[in-house]
Amino acid sequence: DAGVTQSPTHLIKTRGQHVTLRCSPISGHKSVSWYQQVLGQGPQFIFQYYEKEERGRGNFPDRFSARQFPNYSSELNVNALLLGDSALYLCASSFTLKPYNQPQHFGDGTRLSIL
Amino acid sequence: KQEVTQIPAALSVPEGENLVLNCSFTDSAIYNLQWFRQDPGKGLTSLLLIQSSQREQTSGRLNASLDKSSGRSTLYIAASQPGDSATYLCAVYIVDAGNMLTFGGGTRLMVKP
Repeated sequence: DAGVTQSPTHLIKTRGQHVTLRCSPISGHKSVSWYQQVLGQGPQFIFQYYEKEERGRGNFPDRFSARQFPNYSSELNVNALLLGDSALYLCASSFTLKPYNQPQHFGDGTRLSIL
Repeated sequence: KQEVTQIPAALSVPEGENLVLNCSFTDSAIYNLQWFRQDPGKGLTSLLLIQSSQREQTSGRLNASLDKSSGRSTLYIAASQPGDSATYLCAVYIVDAGNMLTFGGGTRLMVKP
C-alpha cells in the first residue's frame, strides 16, 4: 500500500511569491495534518483537516492556508513568502480525528527554499 | 503551553553500545507519547507509541518508557548499529490548537563502526 505522498519534493521560490504544496494521505485516512520543520528543529503544527473541515490551526500567520478535497487529499498554500518560510513541510495522515492509540504516518516532505 | 525537550542534542557512540535518549515535557495532560526516527532529508518514521495509561513499549532492540507524572520518557537502544544513525524525535499528542503532536528538538545519533 502506498504511504503518504507529497509533491513536489523540492521547490525554490523567491520572496513575495506564492506556493502550493500537495499531500495524498494513506488510502482510507480522513485526517491530514501539516507541519513545518525548520533545519535543526522539531516539526511545528500548522493545520489539521478532517472530513474537509479545518479542525486545528497552529501559531502561524494568515499567509498560511490549507484545504482538503473530497478524496481527502490536501493542499497547503503560503502567500507572500519570506526567507523564514524556508523549511521542510511535512504532511501526516491518520484514519480518525483523534488517533490517540495510533501512530501518525508522515510523508517525506517538501523541501521549500526561499531566495 | 506544552514544551518538549530532548537531551542530548547530539550523541556519538561506538557500535555495540547500549544507549539512552531522554525526552521531557512540561504538561502531563497528554494522550500519548511517540518516538520517531528521521533520516537526513526524509520524513518521520514512527518507532514506538506509548499511550498515557501505559508505562513502556518494546519493539526489537528499542524500548521506550513513560513516566507521565514526572514528565519524562526514555528511548533505550540496545546493541547499537551504524544503521541506527539518524535523528530521533519524541512528540506528545495533545489537544490544544488542534489534535496535534508537539515535538522536541531531536537527538542526532551517530553510531561509529
